[in-house]
Amino acid sequence: QSVLTQPPSVSGAPGQRVTISCTGSSSNIGAGYEVHWYQQLPGAAPKLLIYGNNNRPSGVPDRFSGSKSGTSASLAITGLQPQDEADYYCQSYDRSLRDVFGGGTSLTVL
Amino acid sequence: QVQLQESGPGLVKPSQTVSLTCTVSGGSIRADNYYWSWVRQPPGKGLEWLTYIYHSGSSYYNPSLASRVTVSLDMSKSQFSLHLSSVTAADTAVYYCARLYGSGRNYFDRWGQGTQVTVSS
Repeated sequence: QSVLTQPPSVSGAPGQRVTISCTGSSSNIGAGYEVHWYQQLPGAAPKLLIYGNNNRPSGVPDRFSGSKSGTSASLAITGLQPQDEADYYCQSYDRSLRDVFGGGTSLTVL
Repeated sequence: QVQLQESGPGLVKPSQTVSLTCTVSGGSIRADNYYWSWVRQPPGKGLEWLTYIYHSGSSYYNPSLASRVTVSLDMSKSQFSLHLSSVTAADTAVYYCARLYGSGRNYFDRWGQGTQVTVSS
């Protein structure tokens, strides 16, 4: 059971918008720590997608965006494309456990 | 562009200690604000942070594994290593080395390709 809770799966048709939630607590996200997101394509290592709640590293399309409010955060993907099919993980810092990940969300492009 | 590459034995017997090494290239392991980390992923499961170490030698551990995990640094070889003792089948996973940017932000901005560790007799 992960400290950060994500839905196991989401899906959407090409061109649509999907969101992935990440729910924490007052010990991590709610304590003001930043939320980061990673994309893991099948058979590959994770890749940093969003850092500092809503910042995109160079090379990440602006179709990906992040937000944070209270004890939760969200990743939004607009203009869904087949190559977006992957697992997505949120990550933050916890006062007791240090660095923690969400359980991951599998995105299916229909 | 910093690159990380893991190396290790692949197959380990239960109760033994597994040691993995990560070689850093394209950047300095002495860079300020960066911590050298290990993250693992059991088959079909999510990511779990294990440990990281700073070039000063300061190290930090996941509380759930702290009694079995040690991390070390060899700056002369631009390498850092993970040592996990008393392994069981539950330690079977892909082990990634990664670079974590600290300064209160704590995100993993570079990852190795991962190395499979299987615990089996």
